Order: sequence, then structure tokens, then C-alpha cells
Amino acid sequence: DIVMTQSPESLAVSLGERATINCKSGHSLLYSSNNKNHLAWYQQKPGQPPKLLIYWASTRESGVPDRFSGSGSGTDFTLTISSLQAEDVAVYYCQQYLSTPFTFGPGTKVHIK
Amino acid sequence: EVQVLESGGGLVQPGGSLRLSCASSGFSFSNYAMNWVRQAPGKGLEWVSGITGSGATLNYAGSVKGRFTISRDNSKNMLYLQMNRLRAEDTAVYHCARVRSSGISLLDAFEIWGQGTMVTVSS
Repeated sequence: DIVMTQSPESLAVSLGERATINCKSGHSLLYSSNNKNHLAWYQQKPGQPPKLLIYWASTRESGVPDRFSGSGSGTDFTLTISSLQAEDVAVYYCQQYLSTPFTFGPGTKVHIK
Repeated sequence: EVQVLESGGGLVQPGGSLRLSCASSGFSFSNYAMNWVRQAPGKGLEWVSGITGSGATLNYAGSVKGRFTISRDNSKNMLYLQMNRLRAEDTAVYHCARVRSSGISLLDAFEIWGQGTMVTVSS
């Protein structure tokens, strides 16, 4: 199984400031057949299902604000919120979908400082 | 509107069985791979099982292999999860999730999620 780790576990950021979440996989997520990184980011607010933010490591899902961006390749990835808004308070998960069993990181809780 | 809606959760004793259902609407169901993802109370996300649009390919997490069976009825736009020999550690909210793109592959991000159905395994 591909193990996914995230850091930090929790993150306090002032409104308008940048938030950076790191995700590391135990195996390269770059698939040679399509030259894409099979890595997604999700946002989950209390009482709600996860919401897809980013796929292919850096492609923003339709309707997601452009303050959210994803970067990285291979085994190291980053989700950046460029200017934190109050509505961004949530838990963020990375997920690999390169091979089953698909695996998620443990999550990073983002809150307001 | 594209949506999925789970049902069938409830309280069951250890060793018991339960069948979850996921009703889909607003998209061509047979063209999309589907998945079950669970979340234990206060915990993170765990992928449980996935099935391709045709139903030809099924995959399971090691923790449920041999106990759970995923299936789909494309004529009814329904996804199912038959859960047998349930354990306390299977207690979770179970979400049904559709992949982002139509096609034959399971290897895609999960775009459409249901609210989930709660399964509690306890005596």
C-alpha cells in the first residue's frame, strides 16, 4: 500500500495570510502512461462530505477559488491557500489514486490564528 | 443536478450484515467508476472499495476484503455495498463517491460525494 503522510497536523494562520500544507507519498505518484501525478486534495468541513479541490496534483477543480493551488511531483506535494479566508477553516486531505488501495493522508486541520 | 445519495445504514451487532445503497442521478451512471469511502467518528478518510463503470473490475481495501462486496446495477443507477461479518472497527459514516471523468479507469479523483450513511457495529 502507498502510505501518505501530511504535515503539519494542525495549522493556525491569520486571515489573509498564506497557508501551506505538505503531503508526502511512499511511492512516486507520477504515472508513466499519462505523465501525470495521481494526487488529489480535498477539503472537509464539519458535518460535510469531502470536496475535491485539486486533481493531477495541480489542476484546480471547477468552481474552486484561485487562492487554492497545488504543486509538486513524484513523492512531494504542497497545497497552498494564498490568502486564508474564514470559510477555509476545514480539514484538508491529500489522496493518491495511482493504485488500489487508494490511500489518504491523515489530514491537516486549518484554523484561524 | 448531479448527485449521489446513500442509504441503508444503521445499528448492527458484531458478526451481522448490512447492505448499503447509493442512488445516483443527473449523470450517465454506467460511464463512471464509483467508490465507497468511510470515515470513523473523529477520524480520517479510508477508501473501502471501488468498481468500474461496467462492473468488470472490483477492488477492496485489505481491511474489508472477503467480508464486503461492491456491486452496481446500471439499469437502476444504483451502487451497493454488501457488508458481512461486521466488526466494531467498521463503525463509520460510509460515503459513495463518483470519479471525476467518465471512462473505464478507476484511477481518478473523487468528484461527487454523498452525505454518507452511518453504520454502527455494537452489541
